[in-house]
Amino acid sequence: GAGVSQTPSNKVTEKGKYVELRCDPISGHTALYWYRQSLGQGPEFLIYFQGTGAADDSGLPNDRFFAVRPEGSVSTLKIQRTERGDSAVYLCASSLRVGGTDTQYFGPGTRLTVL
Amino acid sequence: GIQVEQSPPDLILQEGANSTLRCNFSDSVNNLQWFHQNPWGQLINLFYIPSGTKQNGRLSATTVATERYSLLYISSSQTTDSGVYFCAVPNYGGSQGNLIFGKGTKLSVKP
Repeated sequence: GAGVSQTPSNKVTEKGKYVELRCDPISGHTALYWYRQSLGQGPEFLIYFQGTGAADDSGLPNDRFFAVRPEGSVSTLKIQRTERGDSAVYLCASSLRVGGTDTQYFGPGTRLTVL
Repeated sequence: GIQVEQSPPDLILQEGANSTLRCNFSDSVNNLQWFHQNPWGQLINLFYIPSGTKQNGRLSATTVATERYSLLYISSSQTTDSGVYFCAVPNYGGSQGNLIFGKGTKLSVKP
């Protein structure tokens, strides 16, 4: 079946603007994760969902970041008042269940550049 | 939280050579994954290996959970093996679900 998809693949925006990044998980996966990867680093956790609810948002850097998953499938990561430091690759992953014992499958990422 | 350390940070190989990448983690885990990030940024699952040994073609992995390390072996390396290899373990031993990644090993295979 289809893997995790993310749109857009690239997003260039200006400082202060609002952006939305979309993730389509693998069908039937109840767990969905957002990570952020800066150049030369490993991905860092932002937030994860079990079904529609955010089970853990402890990785979100501040209140400019917000994510939703209203129907338990597609998720949108929203960033308000973007800053140059938000530039990174935003990765989405899904797994069959939450709990750390299932393989997480990653999408291709959205490269966000804030000018 | 759990710490993940990978070594070496960089590795340059001649095509056909073998290599071993290491991942150490600071606490007990019930899951460990190895990924290959290709030059286009895609994270590709290599192994889900909480313990024991698995093999897939020229790649194999071994996790010794009691000693908190995992090894990734690449035999007869090819230029397409180039990229960054990450290991990742669940936060808080698995109860939280999100993965903690090491900083990766950047592998360059020269023809």
